[in-house]
Amino acid sequence: ELKVEQNPLFLSMQEGKNYTIYCNYSTTSDRLYWYRQDPGKSLESLFVLLSNGAVKQEGRLMASLDTKARLSTLHITAAVHDLSATYFCAVDLNTDKLIFGTGTRLQVFP
Amino acid sequence: DTAVSQTPKYLVTQMGNDKSIKCEQNLGHDTMYWYKQDSKKFLKIMFSYNNKELIINETVPNRFSPKSPDKAHLNLHINSLELGDSAVYFCASSQRGLPPYEQYFGPGTRLTVT
Repeated sequence: ELKVEQNPLFLSMQEGKNYTIYCNYSTTSDRLYWYRQDPGKSLESLFVLLSNGAVKQEGRLMASLDTKARLSTLHITAAVHDLSATYFCAVDLNTDKLIFGTGTRLQVFP
Repeated sequence: DTAVSQTPKYLVTQMGNDKSIKCEQNLGHDTMYWYKQDSKKFLKIMFSYNNKELIINETVPNRFSPKSPDKAHLNLHINSLELGDSAVYFCASSQRGLPPYEQYFGPGTRLTVT
């Protein structure tokens, strides 16, 4: 059974700092997704990673995928308050069934 | 110009009642899903339909019955509601077998059972 683990579960960081969220999964897959969820809102797709070594960047966020290590990272550069949200990674075993990680609640303070 | 829409947004009801949630997508996708997000924010897939055919049916009580009248609509009917059914239910859609295989989520329906 596929397990997806994220860490940390909660991250409080100061504006301007850098940090990385980790997503480990237990079964080989080359489909990994990152979503953002604001309180009381839906899930917004951030990145789709479909191959080993894939790296994608959007603004202050950069996601990467290492399928051999079964690891994806979401790196935050020079955090700003607007990035405060919960971030989920999700893995698909080529079955269109997304298995979500536990989520990382990010809080950025001045 | 909503891509995936759900109704209602909020649903408050008593134990034992039967309720339905509706989902519609205008993205032209052929696959739709129901996910449940519990109070700890954990997301789990419940069902998936591809062109009106059930393709994913997770371990969900049979009080939950999805129905897909066409590939743009997927409804969820829940019988004999229990306290543990309180959660946010998200509908999603995607185009199966076509990269990037991305799933687009609706706004969610917050179900509260009292």
